[in-house]
Amino acid sequence: KNQVEQSPQSLIILEGKNCTLQCNYTVSPFSNLRWYKQDTGRGPVSLTIMTFSENTKSNGRYTATLDADTKQSSLHITASQLSDSASYICVVGLRGLDGNKLVFGAGTILRVKS
Amino acid sequence: DGGITQSPKYLFRKEGQNVTLSCEQNLNHDAMYWYRQDPGQGLRLIYYSQIVNDFQKGDIAEGYSVSREKKESFPLTVTSAQKNPTAFYLCASSWQAVETQYFGPGTRLLVL
Repeated sequence: KNQVEQSPQSLIILEGKNCTLQCNYTVSPFSNLRWYKQDTGRGPVSLTIMTFSENTKSNGRYTATLDADTKQSSLHITASQLSDSASYICVVGLRGLDGNKLVFGAGTILRVKS
Repeated sequence: DGGITQSPKYLFRKEGQNVTLSCEQNLNHDAMYWYRQDPGQGLRLIYYSQIVNDFQKGDIAEGYSVSREKKESFPLTVTSAQKNPTAFYLCASSWQAVETQYFGPGTRLLVL
């Protein structure tokens, strides 16, 4: 079954600290992996997208890694800010016989405290 | 939120009533999607459309209907057959099916 599991479910950190969010997937055949940031009551916004051959991609203070062999990805946030408080969603794309499809994780809720 | 708008922001449905959620995009995207988001769960695909006048069922299409008469618009109707409609509904669009999807701000549907 195609699944995306994220951990932890929620996380609280102090402003200025770093954190790492995890994503494990069992999606096949794999096409790409994306991380989205979703503020409360808003639509998700894309942070990064990686294909099979990419193992790291950065977007400002956000750095995503991908290990296609172990089917794991992580999102590292450096020097966190209050505005980083949001849900972070891991999304894996697959190439199916009936077309391309996205499988969404449930998200990790991050709260940054001052 | 890019060039995608959804309305209304909040919608209340009475028992047995059909309601329609609006989604408009000015990004010239070919593909549009409707997702449902429930607490503690990943987004689930309701319907998607890759071209005008054509759409496909997603994973949870029962109780919903859509139309794609114009490239810019992809309205979703929540029918009375949907017994548990309370959720956050997100519309998205992309140039092609495998490209990054851009999401609208969402509509929260509540049942009276």
